[in-house]
Amino acid sequence: DGGITQSPKYLFRKEGQNVTLSCEQNLNHDAMYWYRQDPGQGLRLIYYSQIVNDFQKGDIAEGYSVSREKKESFPLTVTSAQKNPTAFYLCASSTSGNQPQHFGDGTRLSIL
Amino acid sequence: GQNIDQPTEMTATEGAIVQINCTYQTSGFNGLFWYQQHAGEAPTFLSYNVLDGLEEKGRFSSFLSRSKGYSYLLLKELQMKDSASYLCAVSLLGGSYIPTFGRGTSLIVHP
Repeated sequence: DGGITQSPKYLFRKEGQNVTLSCEQNLNHDAMYWYRQDPGQGLRLIYYSQIVNDFQKGDIAEGYSVSREKKESFPLTVTSAQKNPTAFYLCASSTSGNQPQHFGDGTRLSIL
Repeated sequence: GQNIDQPTEMTATEGAIVQINCTYQTSGFNGLFWYQQHAGEAPTFLSYNVLDGLEEKGRFSSFLSRSKGYSYLLLKELQMKDSASYLCAVSLLGGSYIPTFGRGTSLIVHP
């Protein structure tokens, strides 16, 4: 079955450490996205990519980095520059920006 | 920028009907999405409205008025499993069409 997979489900980060969240899709979607969700907040866009080897900053890109070397994969790195990384991170994909998004199950990141 | 407004929380009784509103202020409106998100889970797509009017899908319907900057999601014959957060998202014309999400409405269905 086609879908979008995020790993790990839970992740802990130490102060000053970079961590990478994985996102893989086999839906053959061109567009992929990373969102951050905090309690009581909607989804805020971190980065998006509409084609391989290209990506754009979203509304809250500071302290994050991404790559899009393959169509299927869009990993997100939370760097030590992100001072408040504790959140629920959601990856999504779609055929294009004005089409419905398919979401992964999310990664919950916490600080030790 | 865009301003998307939804009620924070609503409660309703099992078997009843509930209407969740979403208003937006934006230029270059393209379409409006509704997603359902159960606590700690991924959002799932419910509907996408581009034209004015009502679209029905089983127990769920979504309405759009482009001139009023207004949409609602109507849930009929409520079930306990409908307790979830409902997210409204607006996409704009041109560029990448990337949708912007509202804060979501938490719906609690009680017996």
